[in-house]
Amino acid sequence: SQTIHQWPATLVQPVGSPLSLECTVEGTSNPNLYWYRQAAGRGLQLLFYSVGIGQISSEVPQNLSASRPQDRQFILSSKKLLLSDSGFYLCAWRWDRGSPLHFGNGTRLTVT
Amino acid sequence: SQQGEEDPQALSIQEGENATMNCSYKTSINNLQWYRQNSGRGLVHLILIRSNEREKHSGRLRVTLDTSKKSSSLLITASRAADTASYFCARLLNSGGSNYKLTFGKGTLLTVNP
Repeated sequence: SQTIHQWPATLVQPVGSPLSLECTVEGTSNPNLYWYRQAAGRGLQLLFYSVGIGQISSEVPQNLSASRPQDRQFILSSKKLLLSDSGFYLCAWRWDRGSPLHFGNGTRLTVT
Repeated sequence: SQQGEEDPQALSIQEGENATMNCSYKTSINNLQWYRQNSGRGLVHLILIRSNEREKHSGRLRVTLDTSKKSSSLLITASRAADTASYFCARLLNSGGSNYKLTFGKGTLLTVNP
């Protein structure tokens, strides 16, 4: 069966510090991978998605970047965090556009 | 907005009662998906209904889709305290050419009181 791992679960970082959140998927190959952000009491905002190694699409201009160095690894990064980067970050995967998403447990990021 | 909305934003019921949540959208969809999120956790997929389907069941869950009204509903029967969570609908839209986008609403917070 397929599993998705996302870490860390919580993170407190000062403004201006770098960020690296990692997500890995097991039990499948060539998944479509996604990073979402969820603000308190809000829906999910798609940040990045990837359909293959090295292929990254960005949905909104922002202070973040994403990379997919391996087939089942998706990394969310920032060189300098802003207060507005605080939120709940969720990684997800699916086989194709017609199939449901499978989410990790999320990372609660607080930028102070 | 193409996202549409869930309705109501919050719903509080007693254990054993049925809970109905609605989802509306504005543009044609390929499919519509319902997800559940427990507080502080990731989303869990519940049911996917395609645009040519009208109703689907899974255990105590029933989803309907009315493409003429551009709306869907999620019914949870015989609710339990463990059903307390936020419920989201997500619409798969064609965003141009072969590109498809899955767009989430803000969700309905369901509280089931024991």
